[in-house]
Amino acid sequence: EAGVTQFPSHSVIEKGQTVTLRCDPISGHDNLYWYRRVMGKEIKFLLHFVKESKQDESGMPNNRFLAERTGGTYSTLKVQPAELEDSGVYFCASSQVGVYRVGTGELFFGEGSRLTVL
Amino acid sequence: GQQVMQIPQYQHVQEGEDFTTYCNSSTTLSNIQWYKQRPGGHPVFLIQLVKSGEVKKQKRLTFQFGEAKKNSSLHITATQTTDVGTYFCAGRGYQKVTFGTGTKLQVIP
Repeated sequence: EAGVTQFPSHSVIEKGQTVTLRCDPISGHDNLYWYRRVMGKEIKFLLHFVKESKQDESGMPNNRFLAERTGGTYSTLKVQPAELEDSGVYFCASSQVGVYRVGTGELFFGEGSRLTVL
Repeated sequence: GQQVMQIPQYQHVQEGEDFTTYCNSSTTLSNIQWYKQRPGGHPVFLIQLVKSGEVKKQKRLTFQFGEAKKNSSLHITATQTTDVGTYFCAGRGYQKVTFGTGTKLQVIP
């Protein structure tokens, strides 16, 4: 079974440019989360999709960030225009809805997309 | 909003020593999860605790959920170099999972 995949693994852009990160969750997982880890600090929640609907986007820092999940499959996170403080590792995670996998509600994380804004 | 704090932020131990990280939530949790992130890697699920006062063990790791379901701890007995990484607790409310600030463990051989 394929895990959560993220693309690109690393992106280096200049301030003011646009970047789009993509996440493919595990097939059948309705819940999809975006998190960000900056400078090795906490893993900060950005938003949560249930299928194609935004369940909670309270963690999105500002309107320069736009997340979509058309059709309830893969998701994209666009940053436009990028600022220096947007640098960090963006993690995507997925989980099944309401069904515990082997008795857990674990999140399955992708490898992350490292964003560097110069 | 919900906040989850962990202490200590960093811990250096000599190989063979024990290690404990503590997690505290500002709100009551439905359950708590623990994840480990190796340097350069991604968070990997370790365990989930659901019941008040629950204690679970995985080999040298012991996880505990507080009676009030607002705090938790992870204890590692006789650390090994393979235990190096950052340990996160994650408090699960309705559908939302809020991660703690993490404890970075360094094991000195």
